[in-house]
Amino acid sequence: AQKITQTQPGMFVQEKEAVTLDCTYDTSDPSYGLFWYKQPSSGEMIFLIYQGSYDQQNATEGRYSLNFQKARKSANLVISASQLGDSAMYFCAMREGISGDMRFGAGTRLTVKP
Amino acid sequence: EAQVTQNPRYLITVTGKKLTVTCSQNMNHEYMSWYRQDPGLGLRQIYYSMNVEVTDKGDVPEGYKVSRKEKRNFPLILESPSPNQTSLYFCASSPHMIQGFNEQYFGPGTRLTVT
Repeated sequence: AQKITQTQPGMFVQEKEAVTLDCTYDTSDPSYGLFWYKQPSSGEMIFLIYQGSYDQQNATEGRYSLNFQKARKSANLVISASQLGDSAMYFCAMREGISGDMRFGAGTRLTVKP
Repeated sequence: EAQVTQNPRYLITVTGKKLTVTCSQNMNHEYMSWYRQDPGLGLRQIYYSMNVEVTDKGDVPEGYKVSRKEKRNFPLILESPSPNQTSLYFCASSPHMIQGFNEQYFGPGTRLTVT
């Protein structure tokens, strides 16, 4: 069964506007971590933000914030004030418990329009 | 410079010819992992290693082998490559994988084509 689902294959956003990339997950483990990575066209994987299942507050890192809704099992990435350099593939990922098993979603390709 | 290196970066080979993709990290990380990336499928984990001499299967281990004889190296071995193993491969490492936050550091990727 798919553990991480990203339902938006592609998204467009106007420069300087905010955008939300969706991610839902499936786990029965009460302890887990959620990650977002960015992959620009150059191909490298860049870590953006992390949310632990026991964290009380939503994670934020600069212009990135994670809208964590535990009951809904969603971990959406919000990018504020989009920039042209934000155009990339974005992947949501999850690790359960203390396992080394990491699951990634299929990704969302974000295009920022000038 | 702290980094994960992979070699080769690009490889074109033929079906059945054994190959090894090397991965090395200089950060003394305990955890290392291999992923393959295919369009529409995201990254899928092939194998991971929690520490030296400890390896476990990920989501798609068939057709691959790994070894972890020393902390810094985690080679990926394709004994008899087939065209369906054509993909972009990433190696990653992390200080450890106990409960809590541990960012994975990714290598630059190896693009493999099997004809």
